[in-house]
Amino acid sequence: ETGVTQSPTHLIKTRGQQVTLRCSSQSGHNTVSWYQQALGQGPQFIFQYYREEENGRGNFPPRFSGLQFPNYSSELNVNALELDDSALYLCASSLTLTGRHADTQYFGPGTRLTVL
Amino acid sequence: GESVGLHLPTLSVQEGDNSIINCAYSNSASDYFIWYKQESGKGPQFIIDIRSNMDKRQGQRVTVLLNKTVKHLSLQIAATQPGDSAVYFCAENIGTGRRALTFGSGTRLQVQP
Repeated sequence: ETGVTQSPTHLIKTRGQQVTLRCSSQSGHNTVSWYQQALGQGPQFIFQYYREEENGRGNFPPRFSGLQFPNYSSELNVNALELDDSALYLCASSLTLTGRHADTQYFGPGTRLTVL
Repeated sequence: GESVGLHLPTLSVQEGDNSIINCAYSNSASDYFIWYKQESGKGPQFIIDIRSNMDKRQGQRVTVLLNKTVKHLSLQIAATQPGDSAVYFCAENIGTGRRALTFGSGTRLQVQP
């Protein structure tokens, strides 16, 4: 177990709705990254949060947004849901130290989102 | 649970044999590489990592080899066990600053008893 938790486990929404997914990072970690994993594919980077600020973003539209809280937990929000947003959403926590190389990212179990 | 890797390349090995999973990475500026194991219904699990200033790194029953000349990464699993059956992903990170991981498409490992 990595100590990274996500909620909810499963979620069903309809097109056009909005969704909020939650992630609690591993104790001692200050960075949270979010990934989308479509069926049969590898995870795709959405964005990363470090010290409550966005620290890099992948090729996802603005309707994907996020937050990081002072306790380093995080939320992923998706507005105007589309059918193609159906996927497993993964968060990963890591420890970022200034000037150091990237540290290992540890993943949570994911939230399975189905958009009908 | 989540079904991962329905149409992935599959490597089938006998229990007790050694397994080698290969990965070609895309960016010559990548400086950090990780292998993850993903079982059905679970998130990716860290196996082993290697930095670009190394060619080889060993863990418990696993070895990662890095060939920067041809941008190739491999994961060797010794004495493969049924519990090793999963989808394996390699991931690369490009430099400091942006610490996003770029994942490969994955390989399904099936261990036959």
